[in-house]
Amino acid sequence: KAGVTQTPRYLIKTRGQQVTLSCSPISGHRSVSWYQQTPGQGLQFLFEYFSETQRNKGNFPGRFSGRQFSNSRSEMNVSTLELGDSALYLCASSLRGGPLAQETQYFGPGTRLLVL
Amino acid sequence: SQKIEQNSEALNIQEGKTATLTCNYTNYSPAYLQWYRQDPGRGPVFLLLIRENEKEKRKERLKVTFDTTLKQSLFHITASQPADSATYLCALLGGSQGNLIFGKGTKLSVKP
Repeated sequence: KAGVTQTPRYLIKTRGQQVTLSCSPISGHRSVSWYQQTPGQGLQFLFEYFSETQRNKGNFPGRFSGRQFSNSRSEMNVSTLELGDSALYLCASSLRGGPLAQETQYFGPGTRLLVL
Repeated sequence: SQKIEQNSEALNIQEGKTATLTCNYTNYSPAYLQWYRQDPGRGPVFLLLIRENEKEKRKERLKVTFDTTLKQSLFHITASQPADSATYLCALLGGSQGNLIFGKGTKLSVKP
């Protein structure tokens, strides 16, 4: 079974631009979560999508948004990029997600975003 | 809100010794706690999940304990090898909606 894939792997943008990152979950997985990882803050939860609906959201500004398609693939978008948005963006998939599932999450390799 | 602390940013040990990593949380006891391994430039990889009613769980050279009284989980790697060098993250349920929150990780270096 193929793992979680993320594209692109590396991205360089300038302040004020916007960016769209893509995540393809493991086949059959319907929950996709997005995380931002920085050396100072560690892994921070952005949002989770299940069946094309945002089910959960972390404490990030509205510049960070996402969506999920009917095939469970997900995209996240960051508008009006700031220098502090430079980070590794990780997506993770699981079968159903949610608090009762007690499932493990399968992470992709991440997209390394550098904002200049 | 729930907070996680992994006490050591870095841990250096000699090959063959047992590595012990600590994860503490501050508020309510979570239903379960997970440990992940992350290598440089890669996403975290799941290692073990331990539930609140389990005191200990083992997988090959790995052992995890969960003490809800101390609000602490310990992660042990016995007979450590240089290939075990990586960052280890603990994670638990941070909110009612089911999102995981992660500690900042402990970077383990095993020297030959």
